[in-house]
Amino acid sequence: AQKVTQAQTEISVVEKEDVTLDCVYETRDTTYYLFWYKQPPSGELVFLIRRNSFDEQNEISGRYSWNFQKSTSSFNFTITASQVVDSAVYFCALSANEGGSQGNLIFGKGTKLSVKP
Amino acid sequence: NAGVTQTPKFQVLKTGQSMTLQCAQDMNHEYMSWYRQDPGMGLRLIHYSVGAGITDQGEVPNGYNVSRSTTEDFPLRLLSAAPSQTSVYFCASSYSSSGRSYEQYFGPGTRLTVT
Repeated sequence: AQKVTQAQTEISVVEKEDVTLDCVYETRDTTYYLFWYKQPPSGELVFLIRRNSFDEQNEISGRYSWNFQKSTSSFNFTITASQVVDSAVYFCALSANEGGSQGNLIFGKGTKLSVKP
Repeated sequence: NAGVTQTPKFQVLKTGQSMTLQCAQDMNHEYMSWYRQDPGMGLRLIHYSVGAGITDQGEVPNGYNVSRSTTEDFPLRLLSAAPSQTSVYFCASSYSSSGRSYEQYFGPGTRLTVT
């Protein structure tokens, strides 16, 4: 069965601190895709990154970086020098073919990040 | 490009009433889906479609119907609303290719309250 676990329900940091959001996934498929989405207080869902199971290179985009480790089934997200605008709920999601359509997303329950000035 | 649009933004229904949540996309995406978001539950898939004329059930399909007569539109119908269907509903679409999964683009959501 497919599953995504985001064990951190809420995290609170002070501006400029680094913060890592954890994501652990389960799937029996060898081909799968992992995603991160951001949901700011305004409510929309914003796509951040997509990674396929054959690409274990870490990715950096500005203050954001992602660490994909197949050995531990984790796809963690780090924000460096956090800012108040980073305050949001962050969702990790998995897409694999176990349940049928490759396109379907299984979401974790989300981590609420609060960045205080 | 408007992206993914949803109407209405807010809706209040009485138990037993029916209604249709509208979703449209102008990106020519084959794949479309409906999710519901409940506090502490993340997003859960209700129904999805991999192309016009093709729909299938997701994780929580009971109480909902969908159809896909065109590539652009994917309405979600609540047959007989129940308080348990109080939620925020998101429609999403993505490019589709056999064996591959692409990022989904989400609409702004519809906040539904059933009393």
